[in-house]
Amino acid sequence: DVKVTQSSRYLVKRTGEKVFLECVQDMDHENMFWYRQDPGLGLRLIYFSYDVKMKEKGDIPEGYSVSREKKERFSLILESASTNQTSMYLCASSSTNYGYTFGSGTRLTVV
Amino acid sequence: GQNIDQPTEMTATEGAIVQINCTYQTSGFNGLFWYQQHAGEAPTFLSYNVLDGLEEKGRFSSFLSRSKGYSYLLLKELQMKDSASYLCAVRLVADKLIFGTGTRLQVFP
Repeated sequence: DVKVTQSSRYLVKRTGEKVFLECVQDMDHENMFWYRQDPGLGLRLIYFSYDVKMKEKGDIPEGYSVSREKKERFSLILESASTNQTSMYLCASSSTNYGYTFGSGTRLTVV
Repeated sequence: GQNIDQPTEMTATEGAIVQINCTYQTSGFNGLFWYQQHAGEAPTFLSYNVLDGLEEKGRFSSFLSRSKGYSYLLLKELQMKDSASYLCAVRLVADKLIFGTGTRLQVFP
């Protein structure tokens, strides 16, 4: 089974902190994605990546950056966390001939 | 812009049939997914339609009409465990996946 692992299930950070959310997949998928999910707004795409060192902005990239130094790992970075970034963050991976698989999510609270 | 619409909430009775509709207007289309998501958990794959028509998989079926920008998910013989959110998602060019806001289904005894 394809596995997408997110490093933390729950995270509490202070306003202004730099936050790293890590995601690792074990099926050699080319594509990786970061979404945030908020009530009434659904899943919104923050950033995605088609290959190592490549990144593309999604629909809501402001306040976020990403890093993909290795194919299996895609990191989401909040440079200076703010309370409006309190959300559920979901990582996913896919390949052209395969569907999308999601991690279990990280519930981030910024206080 | 991209737009995917689905009802916010639906209710149904155990053993019944429910149809969840999804309409979309997107620039590009490479297929439509349905995912199930229980509260606090990750979305899990239910179905994928690329061509027009009905795809059946056990109690769940999904239909697509590309000319109408329309899909539905049909759940038969509803069980209490089917209470969840159902997410419609469109695969765009270059494998980008965008979602509707989801439909929260409550199944009552």
